[in-house]
Amino acid sequence: KAGVTQTPRYLIKTRGQQVTLSCSPISGHRSVSWYQQTPGQGLQFLFEYFSETQRNKGNFPGRFSGRQFSNSRSEMNVSTLELGDSALYLCASSFRTGFNEQYFGPGTRLTVT
Amino acid sequence: GQQLNQSPQSMFIQEGEDVSMNCTSSSIFNTWLWYKQDPGEGPVLLIALYKAGELTSNGRLTAQFGITRKDSFLNISASIPSDVGIYFCAGHNNDMRFGAGTRLTVKP
Repeated sequence: KAGVTQTPRYLIKTRGQQVTLSCSPISGHRSVSWYQQTPGQGLQFLFEYFSETQRNKGNFPGRFSGRQFSNSRSEMNVSTLELGDSALYLCASSFRTGFNEQYFGPGTRLTVT
Repeated sequence: GQQLNQSPQSMFIQEGEDVSMNCTSSSIFNTWLWYKQDPGEGPVLLIALYKAGELTSNGRLTAQFGITRKDSFLNISASIPSDVGIYFCAGHNNDMRFGAGTRLTVKP
């Protein structure tokens, strides 16, 4: 069974731009969660989508948004990029909502200059 | 958000030794999970724990869900070089909280 895939793997943007990251979950998984990983803050939860609805949300500003499509694929958007948004963005999928037994993708490394 | 208290931050051990790391929190969690992350990759789920007091093994790995639901530990027995990596604990209620990670180095 194919794992979670994320595209692109690497991205360089400048301050003020916006970016869209994509995540394809494991086949049959309907929950997709997004996380930000930085050396300073570690792994932090952004939001979770299940059946095209946002179910849970972490403590991030409104510049961070997401959506999920009917095929469970998900996108995350960050608008008005700041230098501090440089991070590894990870998505994870699971069969049910609620984070149990999530499987992570390899991540998208975003660098904001 | 508040992260979990994971210790130790790093460990340098000899191949064949046993390893123990733990996570504590001031909050109660319904689920505890342990992940391993290799450089340039996403975390890989090692063990999931769902009930207070639960003790679960996965090969050489053993993890326990603390009775108070505020802590968990992970043991690795007879370490091997491929155990090298960063180990994260995570607790789940309405969201997921992570420990800062334990960086494990195994010397052959």
